[in-house]
Amino acid sequence: AQSVTQPDIHITVSEGASLELRCNYSYGATPYLFWYVQSPGQGLQLLLKYFSGDTLVQGIKGFEAEFKRSQSSFNLRKPSVHWSDAAEYFCAVGMDSNYQLIWGAGTKLIIKP
Amino acid sequence: KAGVTQTPRYLIKTRGQQVTLSCSPISGHRSVSWYQQTPGQGLQFLFEYFSETQRNKGNFPGRFSGRQFSNSRSEMNVSTLELGDSALYLCASSPGGRLNTEAFFGQGTRLTVV
Repeated sequence: AQSVTQPDIHITVSEGASLELRCNYSYGATPYLFWYVQSPGQGLQLLLKYFSGDTLVQGIKGFEAEFKRSQSSFNLRKPSVHWSDAAEYFCAVGMDSNYQLIWGAGTKLIIKP
Repeated sequence: KAGVTQTPRYLIKTRGQQVTLSCSPISGHRSVSWYQQTPGQGLQFLFEYFSETQRNKGNFPGRFSGRQFSNSRSEMNVSTLELGDSALYLCASSPGGRLNTEAFFGQGTRLTVV
């Protein structure tokens, strides 16, 4: 069955520290890969996406993600977090063949001052 | 350009009642998807519509239904509400219905069933 795993429910990092959020997927083929962010009271916003080509993709707000086919992973990184990055982050995968996104359970990012 | 608009934002219903939620996509967008979000579960896919046709449906009971109108606005209906239906219902719209175009989300409708 298709699935997305975000193993960390919560992550706490200090402001200015680096960040890596993990995402692993199980899918029959290489799907499209996405990271979304949901801030309190806000809708979901797309951070970045991978369809093909360069496996390191750049997104908004200084985020990047690396697709590793051999590990079925698409981890999100940021070199230096800001207090405004505190939010919940979701990894999602999908294919045009079924018009749906499959989502991880989310990782809540907490920033220590 | 106006974003995706979902109405109402908050709703409280009693078990056994039915509810209709509305989603107005971004102008020009023809695909609308619906998701249910509950704490710790992420988002669960409900259904996707493109040009008034349902192209896919998630693994939800038949009490959950939806439709899309010719102006791309969409509604979802939940009949015979259960306590477990309490959730944030999110609608997303995209231009042409392919996943490699960005989906824009509304702020959701928070449904509480008591």
